[in-house]
Amino acid sequence: KQEVTQIPAALSVPEGENLVLNCSFTDSAIYNLQWFRQDPGKGLTSLLLIQSSQREQTSGRLNASLDKSSGRSTLYIAASQPGDSATYLCAAISPGNQFYFGTGTSLTVIP
Amino acid sequence: SQTIHQWPATLVQPVGSPLSLECTVEGTSNPNLYWYRQAAGRGLQLLFYSVGIGQISSEVPQNLSASRPQDRQFILSSKKLLLSDSGFYLCAWTGGRDETQYFGPGTRLLVL
Repeated sequence: KQEVTQIPAALSVPEGENLVLNCSFTDSAIYNLQWFRQDPGKGLTSLLLIQSSQREQTSGRLNASLDKSSGRSTLYIAASQPGDSATYLCAAISPGNQFYFGTGTSLTVIP
Repeated sequence: SQTIHQWPATLVQPVGSPLSLECTVEGTSNPNLYWYRQAAGRGLQLLFYSVGIGQISSEVPQNLSASRPQDRQFILSSKKLLLSDSGFYLCAWTGGRDETQYFGPGTRLLVL
């Protein structure tokens, strides 16, 4: 069964810093990989989806990369802002369209 | 555009009482639908998913059941709630051209 791990579990950075969140998965036969953001008490908001044929996706200050052979994805956040504070989750998506979630990285950006 | 609704937003129920949570999707047809539970401090656990009306797959044995009576309606139920059923329940759908999974706002359930 696919297992997804996110490191670190929590991260605190000063405003303006660039940062990288890590996601690793055990089964490289994934279809897609998706990154989400979750604010406290809220549902998940999709940030980026990387298809298996792609190596990265960019949206504004966010860049996500995917290396299927090594079972890793990273989410790069440039020039972090206090509004970026949230929990970030990644999900590895199987060919059968099942989503396997990591436990998330809780990010705090200090003004 | 597509939207996904969940209700109620918050629910407090006694142990042994029944449960019915509803999820509806607008603006799309034949979506894949999912129910997840998120316990405090833990990741998302997939409970059920459905690829069509009346088609339900269960991921884990549990006290809950799901039904899909209409194409864009997904219902999570229980006949008798347990304390361990407390958590944050999220409904989601896929099936759009962008293959992205979209989540509803969630229902927070507290069983006392």
